Amino acid sequence: GQQVMQIPQYQHVQEGEDFTTYCNSSTTLSNIQWYKQRPGGHPVFLIQLVKSGEVKKQKRLTFQFGEAKKNSSLHITATQTTDVGTYFCAGPTGGYNKLIFGAGTRLAVHP
Amino acid sequence: NAGVTQTPKFRVLKTGQSMTLLCAQDMNHEYMYWYRQDPGMGLRLIHYSVGEGTTAKGEVPDGYNVSRLKKQNFLLGLESAAPSQTSVYFCASSYSTRWGANYEQYFGPGTRLTVT
Repeated sequence: GQQVMQIPQYQHVQEGEDFTTYCNSSTTLSNIQWYKQRPGGHPVFLIQLVKSGEVKKQKRLTFQFGEAKKNSSLHITATQTTDVGTYFCAGPTGGYNKLIFGAGTRLAVHP
Repeated sequence: NAGVTQTPKFRVLKTGQSMTLLCAQDMNHEYMYWYRQDPGMGLRLIHYSVGEGTTAKGEVPDGYNVSRLKKQNFLLGLESAAPSQTSVYFCASSYSTRWGANYEQYFGPGTRLTVT
């Protein structure tokens, strides 16, 4: 069946270092969404990418959608302690706005 | 606007007991979803609803039932709880899709359930 895989599962960085998480889908996606979940919190939508090769920026966060629309990445420049949490990618599956989520990448930032 | 709310926040059940988790949204969303989150496994869809009076199975529906009697509420029931159902449960809602577009899902704060 359809799968969405994320790597790494966990990463810890020193504050100020960069961070990247990668998302790979077993199928071509019409779009991809990214969510952030703070420790003890709930997932919160960050962004949606739709076009092949699309790059979007939100302050220190850069999101990319691959040319083949099967992979995506999230890059954080100069991490801060506020970036701590788990980042999930999600792709549509089976209509009705259903999503299939990756397992997430947990980011720890040491001050 | 409260967004998506869930009750209760925490619950401990004994094996075989039953309970109902309540989700409510005030955004007039057509679509609602129930997920479970387990360590290292991301979010998995249990059941979903595309409108009042409708429900459908997701990826991991066994052991759960749902009802959507009112548009704003989506209930998740466990008839006979098992330790394997220990998890964090999230409800989410979204606008209905048009012409293949997808929309963000809004999540509730979650219910942490432990079954002993």
